[in-house]
Amino acid sequence: GENVEQHPSTLSVQEGDSAVIKCTYSDSASNYFPWYKQELGKRPQLIIDIRSNVGEKKDQRIAVTLNKTAKHFSLHITETQPEDSAVYFCAASKYNFNKFYFGSGTKLNVKP
Amino acid sequence: EAGVAQSPRYKIIEKRQSVAFWCNPISGHATLYWYQQILGQGPKLLIQFQNNGVVDDSQLPKDRFSAERLKGVDSTLKIQPAKLEDSAVYLCASSWPRGNEQYFGPGTRLTVT
Repeated sequence: GENVEQHPSTLSVQEGDSAVIKCTYSDSASNYFPWYKQELGKRPQLIIDIRSNVGEKKDQRIAVTLNKTAKHFSLHITETQPEDSAVYFCAASKYNFNKFYFGSGTKLNVKP
Repeated sequence: EAGVAQSPRYKIIEKRQSVAFWCNPISGHATLYWYQQILGQGPKLLIQFQNNGVVDDSQLPKDRFSAERLKGVDSTLKIQPAKLEDSAVYLCASSWPRGNEQYFGPGTRLTVT
């Protein structure tokens, strides 16, 4: 089965700096990679996703890049704000099969 | 649209007792998932339903866990008997049949003492 590894487990940045979270996956058949944000005590919420037919996707301050050859993908947050503080999870799946394999999470702390 | 509903939000039981969790997915979402999220880890899929049929239960500890979705809408997850290592947040999620975004409920935090 699929194995998703996520690094780092914790990340502290100063407000306004950029943050990068990296994930690797093992199953070359995986072709859909969502990122979820989970604030303390709240439900995970999708913030951005990417399919394997593109290498990069942006949505305002958030971007995701995918390297299919190396089997890794990354979340980039620019101009971080205190409200970005949360735990971020990456996941991998096969599109339309819906079974997600989640990484272990990255706790992002944005210091004002 | 209304979100995924779960109850109870919190539950404390002693080991060897039984417990049940309830989930009501977003209206029209045929696919329903139950995840176990242990503190400090990512969610782990326990079981996936498509309407009232099981698609994947390969990681469900079937000797103690059971789940059903009788009418293809609401679902219940049961643990009997509970062990200390079952302490976790149990998340329910739902999605469109051919969609990929999974919408999560608020979760049920289970503490087994």
